[in-house]
Amino acid sequence: GENVEQHPSTLSVQEGDSAVIKCTYSDSASNYFPWYKQELGKGPQLIIDIRSNVGEKKDQRIAVTLNKTAKHFSLHITETQPEDSAVYFCAASSAGNMLTFGGGTRLMVKP
Amino acid sequence: NAGVTQTPKFQVLKTGQSMTLQCAQDMNHEYMSWYRQDPGMGLRLIHYSVGAGITDQGEVPNGYNVSRSTTEDFPLRLLSAAPSQTSVYFCASRKSGTGIGGYTFGSGTRLTVV
Repeated sequence: GENVEQHPSTLSVQEGDSAVIKCTYSDSASNYFPWYKQELGKGPQLIIDIRSNVGEKKDQRIAVTLNKTAKHFSLHITETQPEDSAVYFCAASSAGNMLTFGGGTRLMVKP
Repeated sequence: NAGVTQTPKFQVLKTGQSMTLQCAQDMNHEYMSWYRQDPGMGLRLIHYSVGAGITDQGEVPNGYNVSRSTTEDFPLRLLSAAPSQTSVYFCASRKSGTGIGGYTFGSGTRLTVV
């Protein structure tokens, strides 16, 4: 089955700096890659996703890049703000109804 | 439109007890899933359903049962709770078909088995 590795497990940045979280996947058939943000005491919330026919997608301060050949994808957050502090999860799906998640990254943005 | 509603939010069980975690969605989503979240391990799929009357196992199904008698509800049953089932449980749902966005998650049930 699919295996998703996520790095780093914790990331601390200064407010205004950029943050990058990286994930690798094992199943070359995976074609859908969402990113979720989880705030304390809440369920994960979809923040951006990308499909395998696209190399990059942006939404204001966040962007996701996908390298199908290397089987890795990354989340980029620019101009970080304290409210960006949360746990971020990447995931991969080949069948559309099953998501395999990475282990999560705790992002801390220091004011 | 309440989204995905999970009850209870917190539960303490004794080893060997049984209970049902409830999940309901009002978005007419075909797909529903149950995940457990353990520290440092992300979310792992327990069971999922692609529609009423259809369920299948995920990555960690042992010790859990599910059923899907309606589109709206997808309860998760623990038949004989064990301390290893102490976790946070999330229910999620999504529309079927390509071009549709990712899952919508509930706010979770924190279960402690003593």
